[in-house]
Amino acid sequence: AQKITQTQPGMFVQEKEAVTLDCTYDTSDPSYGLFWYKQPSSGEMIFLIYQGSYDQQNATEGRYSLNFQKARKSANLVISASQLGDSAMYFCAMREINQAGTALIFGKGTTLSVSS
Amino acid sequence: EADIYQTPRYLVIGTGKKITLECSQTMGHDKMYWYQQDPGMELHLIHYSYGVNSTEKGDLSSESTVSRIRTEHFPLTLESARPSHTSQYLCASSATRGSGGPRETQYFGPGTRLLVL
Repeated sequence: AQKITQTQPGMFVQEKEAVTLDCTYDTSDPSYGLFWYKQPSSGEMIFLIYQGSYDQQNATEGRYSLNFQKARKSANLVISASQLGDSAMYFCAMREINQAGTALIFGKGTTLSVSS
Repeated sequence: EADIYQTPRYLVIGTGKKITLECSQTMGHDKMYWYQQDPGMELHLIHYSYGVNSTEKGDLSSESTVSRIRTEHFPLTLESARPSHTSQYLCASSATRGSGGPRETQYFGPGTRLLVL
């Protein structure tokens, strides 16, 4: 079964609009972490934001916020006031406590295109 | 800000050649990882290391090998490159936090795009 599901292959938004990128996850571990990464066309993976399963508040980092709904097992990334430079592929990833120290499990990604 | 480097950034090579992809980090991180990513697809772990002289295979089977002789260096070697090895290879590192846990953030290098003809 897929652990991380990103159902939107592509999203299109205009500058200054907000956009939500969906991510659902599947785990039976009580302790886990959720990450979002941005991958521009140049190929590097840029860490954006982290949410822990026990965190009481939704994570925020500048224009990025994470809409964490634990009961629904969703961790959607919200980008406010989109910019042209936000055009990239976005990956949701998870680490479970029993996998601590090993790899992240990645979703298939969502391509975001921001137009002027 | 993470300091993790990969060379070469791009490599075009013929079938049967031996290649080594370099990865170095200057953050003193104990854990390092290699991921493989086909264009437009998700990342898959192929190797990881918890520290010097520690290497493990990841979830995705790979014909490559790795070594970890120094903390900062985690090279990946393909003894005989084939067209099926064409992909992007991403190196990452993370530091153990406290007693461990899901919070460890992995920082990635810029990647190596490999094309085997």
